Amino acid sequence: EDQVTQSPEALRLQEGESSSLNCSYTVSGLRGLFWYRQDPGKGPEFLFTLYSAGEEKEKERLKATLTKKESFLHITAPKPEDSATYLCAVQANTGNQFYFGTGTSLTVIP
Amino acid sequence: GAVVSQHPSWVICKSGTSVKIECRSLDFQATTMFWYRQFPKQSLMLMATSNEGSKATYEQGVEKDKFLINHASLTLSTLTVTSAHPEDSSFYICSAPPERGVYNEQFFGPGTRLTVL
Repeated sequence: EDQVTQSPEALRLQEGESSSLNCSYTVSGLRGLFWYRQDPGKGPEFLFTLYSAGEEKEKERLKATLTKKESFLHITAPKPEDSATYLCAVQANTGNQFYFGTGTSLTVIP
Repeated sequence: GAVVSQHPSWVICKSGTSVKIECRSLDFQATTMFWYRQFPKQSLMLMATSNEGSKATYEQGVEKDKFLINHASLTLSTLTVTSAHPEDSSFYICSAPPERGVYNEQFFGPGTRLTVL
C-alpha cells in the first residue's frame, strides 16, 4: 500500500535556525515526489517536484532532496514568513492520484 | 503558475440541504480535476477524480450518490454535497494538472470551507 509519513508533526524554530523536515514514503514505483506549502485556510502552494533518487532542487531558503525511501526539505536561516504547514505527496506510476502526508507545521519565531 | 479558483470560499448550510462547490481552471484547460477533503490538522484525502465528458472516479469509501461530481467543460468541475450532515463539514479543495496527460505538479484551488449545522 502506498504510504507517506512526515516528521516531525510540528517544529518551532528561532529565526535563522536551520533545520530539516522529513518525508518517508512507500510507493509501488515512484513517478514523482512533491512538496507543497499550505497556509491556514488556503489551498496548497506548489514548491518542488523530485523524480529520482539523488535529485535536489532549491528555491530561496528551501532545498529538497530525494533518496529511494525519503525526502528532506531543508530550511536554511528561516524567517517568520516561512511559517506554514509543509506537505509532502507522492504519485505512483500506476495511477494519477497524489498521496499526501499529514504535514509538518513549521513556526518560525522572530 | 496555473491558476485554479473555487467558489464559494466558505458556505454554511442546514443539515439535509445540498451544497454545490465550483472549481475552475482560469488560464488553462483541465481535462482532469481532483477533489480532496481535509479535516482539521489532517492531510488532504483524495475523494475523486473528475474527468471532462465522462463519469468521475471515486476513491474507496467515498459515496458516489452523496458527492456528485460533474465536469461539464474543460474549465469547470462541480462537487455537490447532497443531503449534507454535520460530519460532512470539512475543507474541500480541488486541483488540476496544467498539462493534459502530464500529471506532474498539480495546482490547487484556495479551498471551500463547508460548515453543516
